[in-house]
Amino acid sequence: QQQVKQSPQSLIVQKGGISIINCAYENTAFDYFPWYQQFPGKGPALLIAIRPDVSEKKEGRFTISFNKSAKQFSLHIMDSQPGDSATYFCAASRRGGATNKLIFGTGTLLAVQP
Amino acid sequence: DAGVTQSPTHLIKTRGQQVTLRCSPKSGHDTVSWYQQALGQGPQFIFQYYEEEERQRGNFPDRFSGHQFPNYSSELNVNALLLGDSALYLCASSSNRGVLNQPQHFGDGTRLSIL
Repeated sequence: QQQVKQSPQSLIVQKGGISIINCAYENTAFDYFPWYQQFPGKGPALLIAIRPDVSEKKEGRFTISFNKSAKQFSLHIMDSQPGDSATYFCAASRRGGATNKLIFGTGTLLAVQP
Repeated sequence: DAGVTQSPTHLIKTRGQQVTLRCSPKSGHDTVSWYQQALGQGPQFIFQYYEEEERQRGNFPDRFSGHQFPNYSSELNVNALLLGDSALYLCASSSNRGVLNQPQHFGDGTRLSIL
């Protein structure tokens, strides 16, 4: 119940295309869903996050879509650029827990081809 | 504004040794969490420190211990190192003064290799 399942494991997109990464969770107590971007040799960087009281959040070219009934959320990268090539992690945490510990997905390696 | 800083960046140890990793949180942050990231995997929660106390612990053995200092910086100690402890160790900080689920900001980690 603590898992967050992420797919696909890897993704190749042409420059200017849309990258879509999906995540699913089981624990309905989760109420905070961030996405992190990680470049080789660097730590994860917070990209965008959503709470379950909204179905969509957009920041620039990045959009999170959230489906509470299906317990799924996804990251859409519009107009994908070679600089977006990185590993993306979805995560989840719950407000009522003792901490804000994050449960991470297994990651998606995105390659944007020029 | 300095972000989360970790030291050292790389470390090589042999089995059975002990190691100490250090973390300075982002300015204004009072909570530090430690994660272990194996190659090709997502980060796994080790534990979190707030007000100099361990607030929650993930599924890691007692060989993993930590400490938080009054200036909010933190140390992760690992004893009796095993080959399987080879990983990137990440520190994340957040501001949790009475409000949970504040965004966590990560450092670039310490790459620990066990020979």
